[in-house]
Amino acid sequence: AQSVAQPEDQVNVAEGNPLTVKCTYSVSGNPYLFWYVQYPNRGLQFLLKYITGDNLVKGSYGFEAEFNKSQTSFHLKKPSALVSDSALYFCARRDGGATNKLIFGTGTLLAVQP
Amino acid sequence: DTEVTQTPKHLVMGMTNKKSLKCEQHMGHRAMYWYKQKAKKPPELMFVYSYEKLSINESVPSRFSPECPNSSLLNLHLHALQPEDSALYLCASSQVGTGGNGELFFGEGSRLTVL
Repeated sequence: AQSVAQPEDQVNVAEGNPLTVKCTYSVSGNPYLFWYVQYPNRGLQFLLKYITGDNLVKGSYGFEAEFNKSQTSFHLKKPSALVSDSALYFCARRDGGATNKLIFGTGTLLAVQP
Repeated sequence: DTEVTQTPKHLVMGMTNKKSLKCEQHMGHRAMYWYKQKAKKPPELMFVYSYEKLSINESVPSRFSPECPNSSLLNLHLHALQPEDSALYLCASSQVGTGGNGELFFGEGSRLTVL
């Protein structure tokens, strides 16, 4: 089935260190891929998206993601983690069709230790 | 700050009650969505409205009844719910088709507890 996968339930990183949250996809054609973040007891906030063009996408709060077609990956990265980055991160893909239905990965909990 | 507003933020109801969740957006989006989210799980799509018409129903039980009275408003009517329906209900909106390149804007959610 066409989907996105987040292989890590949790990622732990020390403040100031670089962070990576992994996402792989399995979809034919050109995927539309997204990253969202969810802080405790809040809704989802859009971080960035890949539609076409430059494989390195820059987003909100200093996050970026690299689209890698050969590895079918769209990993989320940040050069220097902050404690305030601790949250639940979801990778998602557009399902296609007239509406922009999103299919989400299982989520990765990022814990940044001070 | 989110541009999608959901009310109420919290709702506690009994299994025989009738209640409604409300969602409003003023971004001119013509697609609106209801998602259900359990703790630490991904959101699960329930309904999609496109141009105020129901376009997707993900086999949701009839005790959940959506309504889109106009292009800015989306309601979710609740009746005879079960305790397992307790969850965070998220509303979202987007442009229709490829014009918006798929980005959804989410509200803060309504946390529902069914006793």
